Amino acid sequence: DAGVTQSPTHLIKTRGQQVTLRCSPKSGHDTVSWYQQALGQGPQFIFQYYEEEERQRGNFPDRFSGHQFPNYSSELNVNALLLGDSALYLCASSRDGLNPGANVLTFGAGSRLTVL
Amino acid sequence: KQEVTQIPAALSVPEGENLVLNCSFTDSAIYNLQWFRQDPGKGLTSLLLIQSSQREQTSGRLNASLDKSSGRSTLYIAASQPGDSATYLCAVEKDGNTGNQFYFGTGTSLTVIP
Repeated sequence: DAGVTQSPTHLIKTRGQQVTLRCSPKSGHDTVSWYQQALGQGPQFIFQYYEEEERQRGNFPDRFSGHQFPNYSSELNVNALLLGDSALYLCASSRDGLNPGANVLTFGAGSRLTVL
Repeated sequence: KQEVTQIPAALSVPEGENLVLNCSFTDSAIYNLQWFRQDPGKGLTSLLLIQSSQREQTSGRLNASLDKSSGRSTLYIAASQPGDSATYLCAVEKDGNTGNQFYFGTGTSLTVIP
């Protein structure tokens, strides 16, 4: 049973460029959340997708956008890249409808983005 | 806004020692608290989940406790091994406007010396 898969694993971009990161959730999961983890910091919540819509959003600018497809996979897009966007981007999946408090997140290995 | 704090930021212990990692959070209205392990450059692996109605959970050499009223959790690791070396993160799940959100601490970096 495959867990959460993310691609690409590493990428390098320059300031002003755009990037798309991809995530396939664990089998049986229908909710995808994206996190940004800067070096030495804990993950910061970007947004969550459920039923192909953005359901929750953290404190990130509109340059960060996403999408969820009918097969529950998801993309994270970042436009007009800044040096400060360099981070590990983590995707986590879970299953909606569980009792609150039983929501175990399953994380992918992440996509390491470096902006030069 | 939920703030999650972990102390110490780093910890180095000799193999075989028992140790305690601490996590505190400012808003006690949480659904659950989870402890994760993160190896360098890797994703997070869930270790233990404690629902808000529970006081503790155990898995092998790991024991996590939760005191919601005081906003604290501890992760106890017994008989530490070099393979336990990693960063340990705690996260709380809280009700958002249209769904739940998870708030993470900054982690404790653990080194177990052979």
